[in-house]
Amino acid sequence: SQTIHQWPATLVQPVGSPLSLECTVEGTSNPNLYWYRQAAGRGLQLLFYSVGIGQISSEVPQNLSASRPQDRQFILSSKKLLLSDSGFYLCAWSQGGGTDTQYFGPGTRLTVL
Amino acid sequence: AQSVTQLGSHVSVSEGALVLLRCNYSSSVPPYLFWYVQYPNQGLQLLLKYTSAATLVKGINGFEAEFKKSETSFHLTKPSAHMSDAAEYFCAVNQAGTALIFGKGTTLSVSS
Repeated sequence: SQTIHQWPATLVQPVGSPLSLECTVEGTSNPNLYWYRQAAGRGLQLLFYSVGIGQISSEVPQNLSASRPQDRQFILSSKKLLLSDSGFYLCAWSQGGGTDTQYFGPGTRLTVL
Repeated sequence: AQSVTQLGSHVSVSEGALVLLRCNYSSSVPPYLFWYVQYPNQGLQLLLKYTSAATLVKGINGFEAEFKKSETSFHLTKPSAHMSDAAEYFCAVNQAGTALIFGKGTTLSVSS
């Protein structure tokens, strides 16, 4: 069966510091991968998605970036965090694109102080 | 453009009562619709998915949802609420694209 991991589970970072969140998927190959951010009272916002190694699409312009160095690894990064980057970050995968079901990881709670 | 509206950011029911969480969508073509549940500080878990095979979709934990094209609705129901159903519920739409468009969520509280 497929599993998706995210780490760290929680993170407290000062404004201006860098960020690296990691997501890995097991039990499947060539998945579509997604990063979402969930802010209080605002639902889920798609940040990035990837259909293959090195292929990243950005949905929202901001100071975050994503990379996919390996087939089942997806990384969310920032060079300098802002207060507004605080939130719950969720990684998800699907076997195909389009209407395929997306399955979510456990999430990372990021607090920027 | 697709969109999802969840009516009621907070719903409170008594244990054993009917659960009804409302979702309306906007889509120019037949959509794929989803309900997810999120427990505190956890990821989202798929409850059920509508793919046009049947208008009444049964999901996990006794939940079901009915697709009504004329009303552009996909409301989630459960006949009898349990304390363990307390969570946040998200409706989402996907129209042969890549992203899921989520509603803002409805928090369900269950009292004894």
